[in-house]
Amino acid sequence: QQQVKQSPQSLIVQKGGISIINCAYENTAFDYFPWYQQFPGKGPALLIAIRPDVSEKKEGRFTISFNKSAKQFSLHIMDSQPGDSATYFCAASEETSGSRLTFGEGTQLTVNP
Amino acid sequence: GAVVSQHPSRVICKSGTSVKIECRSLDFQATTMFWYRQFPKQSLMLMATSNEGSKATYEQGVEKDKFLINHASLTLSTLTVTSAHPEDSSFYICSARSGGGYTFGSGTRLTVV
Repeated sequence: QQQVKQSPQSLIVQKGGISIINCAYENTAFDYFPWYQQFPGKGPALLIAIRPDVSEKKEGRFTISFNKSAKQFSLHIMDSQPGDSATYFCAASEETSGSRLTFGEGTQLTVNP
Repeated sequence: GAVVSQHPSRVICKSGTSVKIECRSLDFQATTMFWYRQFPKQSLMLMATSNEGSKATYEQGVEKDKFLINHASLTLSTLTVTSAHPEDSSFYICSARSGGGYTFGSGTRLTVV
């Protein structure tokens, strides 16, 4: 019940295209859903996060869509750039209880020029 | 924003020796620190959760006598890999709860030869 399933495992997109990564969870107590971007040899960096009281959050080219009833959330990267090439992790936690993050398996995104 | 400084960024040690990794919260107090391990092309695996002034809680399968965690102050947590062996070679990352989310260190690449 603590798992977060992420897909696809890898994704190749052309410059200017839209990258879409999906995650699904089981634990209905999760109340914090962040996305992290990780470059090789670096720690994860918070990209954008959402809480279940909203269905969508947009920050620049990055949008999270959240479907509470389906227990799914996704990251959309608009106008994808080669500099976006990285590994992306979704995660979830029961923030109100201070619990740890549960991570998805990760998606290796490659944006071709 | 919140910053977690992690040192060293990479370390090479001989088999049988011990290595200490430090994580410092620079502009906030980290009551709780999380330590992760990440193998190539895999997700982050939580090793242990440490709370300032108390013993760390280790995840199932993580040897607490091998991975010593000390969280003696609100700004410093350390992970010591004792009697390191080649199979301990990995990328170690710390994280702390900060504000409404989690901040990650830049990671430590440990290579045991």
